[in-house]
Amino acid sequence: AQSVTQLGSHVSVSEGALVLLRCNYSSSVPPYLFWYVQYPNQGLQLLLKYTTGATLVKGINGFEAEFKKSETSFHLTKPSAHMSDAAEYFCAVSLSGGYNKLIFGAGTRLAVHP
Amino acid sequence: EPEVTQTPSHQVTQMGQEVILRCVPISNHLYFYWYRQILGQKVEFLVSFYNNEISEKSEIFDDQFSVERPDGSNFTLKIRSTKLEDSAMYFCASLYGQGVGYTFGSGTRLTVV
Repeated sequence: AQSVTQLGSHVSVSEGALVLLRCNYSSSVPPYLFWYVQYPNQGLQLLLKYTTGATLVKGINGFEAEFKKSETSFHLTKPSAHMSDAAEYFCAVSLSGGYNKLIFGAGTRLAVHP
Repeated sequence: EPEVTQTPSHQVTQMGQEVILRCVPISNHLYFYWYRQILGQKVEFLVSFYNNEISEKSEIFDDQFSVERPDGSNFTLKIRSTKLEDSAMYFCASLYGQGVGYTFGSGTRLTVV
């Protein structure tokens, strides 16, 4: 069975500081990994995904994530936080094959303060 | 950019009533999904649909739930007799194929009173 653990339900950073949101997964087969962002009262927007190939994945809005198989991790980073990054971030995993259901983590709420 | 459209955005219904949540997936997508998010909790998979039939469903998706794609464009989720615990945000998603990220709609907030 697959699962996702997001460490830290709330993360607070200063504007301009590094953003690091942690995600660890469990999967018996090579996974596809995703990060989604949810702004208040909105749907889920894909930030980035890892399927195969390069383990460092770049997404929208300056975010990137690195797939580390040995650590079963897929942490999300952004070098410099912006106020507009304040949102809820969800890590998700699916079985490789690309059309299987997504299993979501519990989410991390990112606050950015001046 | 193509979008997944969900209607209504909010629905309030009385316990025991039937509700139908509607979704218009992206036109050339082949796989369709419903997820739900109870307030303050994680997003949970309900059901996936491909080639006009359910391909997988979760334990949540019991006999009170059904899905259909009646006309080749709409994708609906029906809850036959709503319970208080069905109150949640329901998200529709669609997918073209392998290796491409899922596109989610903006959700329907269902409140059962």
